[in-house]
Amino acid sequence: GEDVEQSLFLSVREGDSSVINCTYTDSSSTYLYWYKQEPGAGLQLLTYIFSNMDMKQDQRLTVLLNKKDKHLSLRIADTQTGDSAIYFCAESITSGTYKYIFGTGTRLKVLA
Amino acid sequence: NAGVTQTPKFQVLKTGQSMTLQCAQDMNHNSMYWYRQDPGMGLRLIYYSASEGTTDKGEVPNGYNVSRLNKREFSLRLESAAPSQTSVYFCASSERGKGNQPQHFGDGTRLSIL
Repeated sequence: GEDVEQSLFLSVREGDSSVINCTYTDSSSTYLYWYKQEPGAGLQLLTYIFSNMDMKQDQRLTVLLNKKDKHLSLRIADTQTGDSAIYFCAESITSGTYKYIFGTGTRLKVLA
Repeated sequence: NAGVTQTPKFQVLKTGQSMTLQCAQDMNHNSMYWYRQDPGMGLRLIYYSASEGTTDKGEVPNGYNVSRLNKREFSLRLESAAPSQTSVYFCASSERGKGNQPQHFGDGTRLSIL
């Protein structure tokens, strides 16, 4: 079945790079998304990548996609305390009707 | 600049009470969704509406009903609340009922059932 997996926690020091990983199972994914959730708030779209791309860069964010291994990563350069949040990986699947599958989220803690 | 608005933000209910969670979007999106978020389980889809006039069950529909009142509004109803429905509920919308459009989320409704 369809599944998206992420590690639950990541802790980094301020100024270091963070890498959040995600694996997915459905090969019919069209788009893969990264969302950020701050405490008490909804999910905010950070970036997304089309499944025929390998990499996308957007300021401090770099998304890498290894379609063969069904592995997605989000790298945050120069991580700041304001980056502390839960990060969700999600895939969209178009098999008959659309569907979005979310991972369980990775809680990033940035240490000053 | 509202995006997706959910009301209320917080609610406490007693077991057996009923309640309707409201959601409205101002982005002229066709599709709307209701999710629940529980610790360690990510987001689980309760119901969705691909377009005005249609609704479909998601992964965890039992105990819930929905109404797509018009293009802007999509409400979620708990007819007889149970403690297992204690959760954070998120409404989302997207431009089309297709997977190449990201979903936009409201800030959530935190619901406790005693």
